[in-house]
Amino acid sequence: QKEVEQNSGPLSVPEGAIASLNCTYSDRVSQSFFWYRQYSGKSPELIMSIYSNGDKEDGRFTAQLNKASQYVSLLIRDSQPSDSATYLCALRGSTLGRLYFGRGTQLTVWP
Amino acid sequence: KAGVTQTPRYLIKTRGQQVTLSCSPISGHRSVSWYQQTPGQGLQFLFEYFSETQRNKGNFPGRFSGRQFSNSRSEMNVSTLELGDSALYLCASSLGRFDYTDTQYFGPGTRLTVL
Repeated sequence: QKEVEQNSGPLSVPEGAIASLNCTYSDRVSQSFFWYRQYSGKSPELIMSIYSNGDKEDGRFTAQLNKASQYVSLLIRDSQPSDSATYLCALRGSTLGRLYFGRGTQLTVWP
Repeated sequence: KAGVTQTPRYLIKTRGQQVTLSCSPISGHRSVSWYQQTPGQGLQFLFEYFSETQRNKGNFPGRFSGRQFSNSRSEMNVSTLELGDSALYLCASSLGRFDYTDTQYFGPGTRLTVL
C-alpha cells in the first residue's frame, strides 16, 4: 500500500499571503504527482501535474518535487479567498492507471 | 470538449437495495476509474476499467462491481446497500496510456444516501 501523507491542516492564511501545502510519500518508484483542488460539495479538479525534480510554475501556483526526499509541495502565491478549498495530493506508482490520494489539506484564505 | 458526466447526480436508497451508477468519460478517453469519498475515509479507490477490462481493483467487498462498455462508458453497481455506503461516488477518466503522464479528470459525482 502506498502511503501519501499531507499536512493535516486546516491551514489558514490571509489574502495575499503564500500558502504552502506539503505532501510526503512512501514509495520511491512513484513517477508522477498531481495536485487537485476540491471545493466543498464539488468534485476534484486538476491544478497541476509534476514529473521531474524541481519547480513547475503555472500562474500563481508552483509545484515542487524532490524525489530524493520523497516530498512534493504546492505553493499558492497571492492567495485569494476563492482559493479556499481542500487540496488533494495524488501520485501514480509503478502500477499504471492507479492513483493514490492523500487525505487532503483544507485551506482557508481570509480577507 | 465535454467533460466527464455522471448520472444520476443524487440518489436515495434504503438498506438492502441495489444501485447502479453511470459514467460517461471524456471523448477519446478509454480508462475509467471509480472512487468513493466519505468525510471519514477520504478518497478511496474502487476499480479502474480500460478497454472493457478491469485493470486495477481496490479493497472493497464483492458487493461493489463495475463494468465498461465498448464505447468506454462505465457503470458501477452496489448490491445489498448498507448505511456505510452513503458517500460521494466519483468517476474519473483518462486516455489510459501506458505512460506515467496519463492524467485523470473527475466527473461531478453521484451523491448516494442510504437510509
